Amino acid sequence: EDQVTQSPEALRLQEGESSSLNCSYTVSGLRGLFWYRQDPGKGPEFLFTLYSAGEEKEKERLKATLTKKESFLHITAPKPEDSATYLCAVQILTGGFKTIFGAGTRLFVKA
Amino acid sequence: GAVVSQHPSRVICKSGTSVKIECRSLDFQATTMFWYRQFPKQSLMLMATSNEGSKATYEQGVEKDKFLINHASLTLSTLTVTSAHPEDSSFYICSAEDRASYGYTFGSGTRLTVV
Repeated sequence: EDQVTQSPEALRLQEGESSSLNCSYTVSGLRGLFWYRQDPGKGPEFLFTLYSAGEEKEKERLKATLTKKESFLHITAPKPEDSATYLCAVQILTGGFKTIFGAGTRLFVKA
Repeated sequence: GAVVSQHPSRVICKSGTSVKIECRSLDFQATTMFWYRQFPKQSLMLMATSNEGSKATYEQGVEKDKFLINHASLTLSTLTVTSAHPEDSSFYICSAEDRASYGYTFGSGTRLTVV
């Protein structure tokens, strides 16, 4: 069964304390893996797309990496404004395209 | 970048009434849009895929007659929650594929409360 699992469920950091969020997946026919940020009461905001193992993408304090089984979202020296839920989604080929979302990691960054 | 506008952002309706939610792609054409439902502290659950000019494809367990989807143009898809009940209260979000990034651009969501 195709599955996407994010860990931890919640993460509390002090401002400046770097850490990583994990997205592990067991799917067949991976087309791409996406990271989104979602603030409370709002729709997700696109961050990155990764297509193949070894690929990395960076944006400000965020860096996403991909292996054949998982993806990491590294947050370097986070600030309180980085507090949000980070969603991982995997798009697979199954007849057409299907996207499976993980449950998300709620990140809290304290000043 | 691509922008998807969703309206209204919040709606409160009485039980038994119908509510229409609009999702518009701005500055790009979206032949396919997606409708999701999200419960508190849970991830997105795909309800249906909306295809311009044809019938929507519903996920298993989603009532077609309850959640009517219309995608009459390349920039507009609507979701109508018919005969709404309190259990339909949720956060509904639409999205469209952004071909530039192959990611999905999401609307800002609609908080539906049925009283």
